[in-house]
Amino acid sequence: NAGVTQTPKFQVLKTGQSMTLQCAQDMNHEYMSWYRQDPGMGLRLIHYSVGAGITDQGEVPNGYNVSRSTTEDFPLRLLSAAPSQTSVYFCATQPGQGIWNEQFFGPGTRLTVL
Amino acid sequence: QQPVQSPQAVILREGEDAVINCSSSKALYSVHWYRQKHGEAPVFLMILLKGGEQKGHEKISASFNEKKQQSSLYLTASQLSYSGTYFCGTGRYSGGGADGLTFGKGTHLIIQP
Repeated sequence: NAGVTQTPKFQVLKTGQSMTLQCAQDMNHEYMSWYRQDPGMGLRLIHYSVGAGITDQGEVPNGYNVSRSTTEDFPLRLLSAAPSQTSVYFCATQPGQGIWNEQFFGPGTRLTVL
Repeated sequence: QQPVQSPQAVILREGEDAVINCSSSKALYSVHWYRQKHGEAPVFLMILLKGGEQKGHEKISASFNEKKQQSSLYLTASQLSYSGTYFCGTGRYSGGGADGLTFGKGTHLIIQP
């Protein structure tokens, strides 16, 4: 049981490059989300999904795309990387949509954009 | 709006107590608490709901004050393993879950031997 996995662990991009951060879970959780964490800012929600085929924007969605074709996977795409996207990215899952459910975080991807 | 956490940082000796506060400018339905150690992912501690229900860590207690729109996390007889950054998260709209959490900026807790 791997839980929530993220790849890669580290990535360096040049401005303007695109890439996809992968998130996979084997817990059969309906709800998945992406956060970015910057020093002194806490965790900020980028996008989330309440199930396969359904996604929605969070607080800071600009510059990012998501899709959810399966329950297990929720990739985050950076369309044209900018230095402001340098951050640590966390994927999180939740068993259901209700407020009684805790979130399980993946180990994170540390992204640097030059 | 992002909830406000206080204090920003606290240094304790092992065995001392600490209180971390989380205040919101809007009505609260649920508050989540997570702890993050350096270089690691946040880990769930507790959920508190309007109405008094709680779910989470056996050795940590917390309160939820609906009128004050505030939650407090109580760390008693602190251990070295309690060191880390504590985040509270509140529901973006109705309570947290389907629409995600808004997290505070965190409280850094350092426990010294």
